[in-house]
Amino acid sequence: EVHLVESGGGLVQPGGSLRLSCAASGFPFSNYDMHWVRQATGKGLEWVSTIGITGDTYYPGSVKGRFTISRENAKNSLYLQMNSLRAGDTAVYYCVRDGGSGYDSWGQGTLVTVSS
Amino acid sequence: QSVLTQPPSVSGAPGQRVTISCTGTSSNIGAGYDVHWYQQLPGTAPKLLIYDNSNRPSGVPDRFSGSKSGTSASLAITGLQAEDEADYYCQSYDSSLSGSVFGGGTKLTVL
Repeated sequence: EVHLVESGGGLVQPGGSLRLSCAASGFPFSNYDMHWVRQATGKGLEWVSTIGITGDTYYPGSVKGRFTISRENAKNSLYLQMNSLRAGDTAVYYCVRDGGSGYDSWGQGTLVTVSS
Repeated sequence: QSVLTQPPSVSGAPGQRVTISCTGTSSNIGAGYDVHWYQQLPGTAPKLLIYDNSNRPSGVPDRFSGSKSGTSASLAITGLQAEDEADYYCQSYDSSLSGSVFGGGTKLTVL
């Protein structure tokens, strides 16, 4: 069974940094593109970043230059380094597997709160 | 403002049929990119409901169906049940943004 478990969320001050982790199990992690998707409280889903199986990365304009996605296949782990955090980055962050046709597995999410 | 436009809410009585629209542009749905739909039950993570416009993953009831035409897509739910009450999101790829885009979400209320 596919299992994705996020960790690393918490309270951080504006301008601060945070590193999220996602532990993957139940599937050959290195064979899948992976994503981070976030959701502010009471709001919709927002794509945050993508990393391909070859390590290629993609970001929307809202986080480009501030967030960095990475993966460590030997540890079946996905990461999101978030710098220069803003109040608008406050959200639940989901680790998501790309099944090739849609995002077919989601973690339970980790809450990031940016506030002074 | 989401790139893909969905109605904020829809409702229907048990047993009825409802549809949720997802309107895009020539750089996403209209460009031929596939549309996927997700169901998010209260307090839980989203779940893939329909992939590649009209396909159901294993375990999804055939009461759920999807279609796509031009710059729009639709999710239909027949035989509404109380357990279908959830938020529904469409997703596609946008070539001008070079990334994934979601609709703003539609809250389904079963009356």
